[in-house]
Amino acid sequence: EPEVTQTPSHQVTQMGQEVILRCVPISNHLYFYWYRQILGQKVEFLVSFYNNEISEKSEIFDDQFSVERPDGSNFTLKIRSTKLEDSAMYFCASSENQEQHFGDGTRLSIL
Amino acid sequence: GENVEQHPSTLSVQEGDSAVIKCTYSDSASNYFPWYKQELGKRPQLIIDIRSNVGEKKDQRIAVTLNKTAKHFSLHITETQPEDSAVYFCAARRTNNDMRFGAGTRLTVKP
Repeated sequence: EPEVTQTPSHQVTQMGQEVILRCVPISNHLYFYWYRQILGQKVEFLVSFYNNEISEKSEIFDDQFSVERPDGSNFTLKIRSTKLEDSAMYFCASSENQEQHFGDGTRLSIL
Repeated sequence: GENVEQHPSTLSVQEGDSAVIKCTYSDSASNYFPWYKQELGKRPQLIIDIRSNVGEKKDQRIAVTLNKTAKHFSLHITETQPEDSAVYFCAARRTNNDMRFGAGTRLTVKP
């Protein structure tokens, strides 16, 4: 069964540094998403992406965040200047229509 | 924006008993309601979903009911087993691309 893959599984970064989280969605899916889950808390919607542009974003997704689909397979989330509170698990998801498939996540630790 | 409330936050049942988790949503435009199971350190996995044109859906031991008028939906797990122990999240999708999650219910099934 095809899966959403995310790299790296764990990223440790100094506060103030830029970080890029990478995702390879399922190949025939058209919608892509990023979610955040702070330890022990709920999954929070960040952004959705369709037809090479952002279609929705939440109040969390401020100017520090950006997304890109640099080629036909990768979907990236960039955090420009990381803060301690950015420490969380970041999940990528993709969907063909309604059912969203999640990757295993990247655990981001900001020091 | 959409606000999803989920209750209870923790639920402990004996093996073989039923478990019920309830969610309410605020936006009457929401039209898709998935339920995810998340084991510790793992990705959220879709276990069942329901669309707004249906009142009930069942898949073996799992069922979901939706009351559009009251804006609430529930997950029912019958004949619970220890492997059902996990955190369960409800979600509501307001548009094609924006899905909001409840806070989660930690279900423990005691053998």
